[in-house]
Amino acid sequence: NAGVTQTPKFRVLKTGQSMTLLCAQDMNHEYMYWYRQDPGMGLRLIHYSVGEGTTAKGEVPDGYNVSRLKKQNFLLGLESAAPSQTSVYFCASTDPWRSTDTQYFGPGTRLTVL
Amino acid sequence: GDSVTQMEGPVTLSEEAFLTINCTYTATGYPSLFWYVQYPGEGLQLLLKATKADDKGSNKGFEATYRKETTSFHLEKGSVQVSDSAVYFCALSDPSGGSYIPTFGRGTSLIVHP
Repeated sequence: NAGVTQTPKFRVLKTGQSMTLLCAQDMNHEYMYWYRQDPGMGLRLIHYSVGEGTTAKGEVPDGYNVSRLKKQNFLLGLESAAPSQTSVYFCASTDPWRSTDTQYFGPGTRLTVL
Repeated sequence: GDSVTQMEGPVTLSEEAFLTINCTYTATGYPSLFWYVQYPGEGLQLLLKATKADDKGSNKGFEATYRKETTSFHLEKGSVQVSDSAVYFCALSDPSGGSYIPTFGRGTSLIVHP
């Protein structure tokens, strides 16, 4: 039981490049989330999904897109990376009906945009 | 909207000292309350939680009591260890509106010296 995994762990991009971050969970959770963590800012919600085929905007969605084609996977895309997107990205999942809203987090992806 | 306020850090203590990290919240419904811990280079993981007023969550020597009258969920530990050095996040989840979007505090860094 791997829990929540994220790939890649580290990435360096140049301004304007694109990339996709992959999150996978093996707990059959309905809800999945993407956060970014910046010094002094805590966690900020980018996008989330309440089930396969659904996505919704969070607090800071601009510059990001997401897809949830399979229940276990939640992809975060950056179409044209900007230095302001340098951050640590965390994926999380939960099943409110089974785990009382406990969020299970992945290990993070450290992204630098030059 | 919902909000969580926790004391700013860093909190610096000597080993075996008593720890308190304050957390207060505002919520319109009846939230569940959480403390998550983030060790260096890792994602967040659940430390403890409480789902209703007067409940006490506990784990690894840490405790927090859900105080509805003071809207607080302060984290305490009687004797900290160097291995407790981490960032601690207070959070709430309020499903009364049908949304399982948690609200996190900004995190409090704890540094424990030998």
